[in-house]
Amino acid sequence: DAGVIQSPRHEVTEMGQEVTLRCKPISGHNSLFWYRQTMMRGLELLIYFNNNVPIDDSGMPEDRFSAKMPNASFSTLKIQPSEPRDSAVYFCASGTDGEQYFGPGTRLTVT
Amino acid sequence: GQSLEQPSEVTAVEGAIVQINCTYQTSGFYGLSWYQQHDGGAPTFLSYNALDGLEETGRFSSFLSRSDSYGYLLLQELQMKDSASYFCAVLTGANNLFFGTGTRLTVIP
Repeated sequence: DAGVIQSPRHEVTEMGQEVTLRCKPISGHNSLFWYRQTMMRGLELLIYFNNNVPIDDSGMPEDRFSAKMPNASFSTLKIQPSEPRDSAVYFCASGTDGEQYFGPGTRLTVT
Repeated sequence: GQSLEQPSEVTAVEGAIVQINCTYQTSGFYGLSWYQQHDGGAPTFLSYNALDGLEETGRFSSFLSRSDSYGYLLLQELQMKDSASYFCAVLTGANNLFFGTGTRLTVIP
């Protein structure tokens, strides 16, 4: 298996622009997670899906963030409009409970 | 609130043994996980303990004491490639992992 796949790996955008991050989980994993990692706040869970259904989005910072999972093999995290404080590494992971497998991450820089 | 405490930095000699401790205080507890992250890389799953005791996987072992709200990761026969950050994470609910701030391990020759 190729593991969790994320795209793009790097994204540089200007404040106010829309950003869409993409994720393909490991086949057969029913749960998908979006995390954000920064030096200041560490690794934070933003939202997770179980069987394509959003279960807990309490970590989503604000309404500018939205996530979808239209099918078992694809999820998106969208930021609109983006702000400089959104600059971080965004990880997608799939797995179950304490055993999660992370993708390589998307390093987002908002200028 | 939720809190996880682990040392911020640890230095150890190649070939030695190092133990990284983690104490937690969370509203729910299902189990304790450990992840490794190299600079610029993604977190990599190492272990998950739901029950008390020691679990061994190769050079790495993980321990949990639920009564003490405490766990540790033990790394034996340290290698230079083990230099990385190590995160403990508490499963506070179904699929809900709360991560600590990480311990940066530096292995020196």
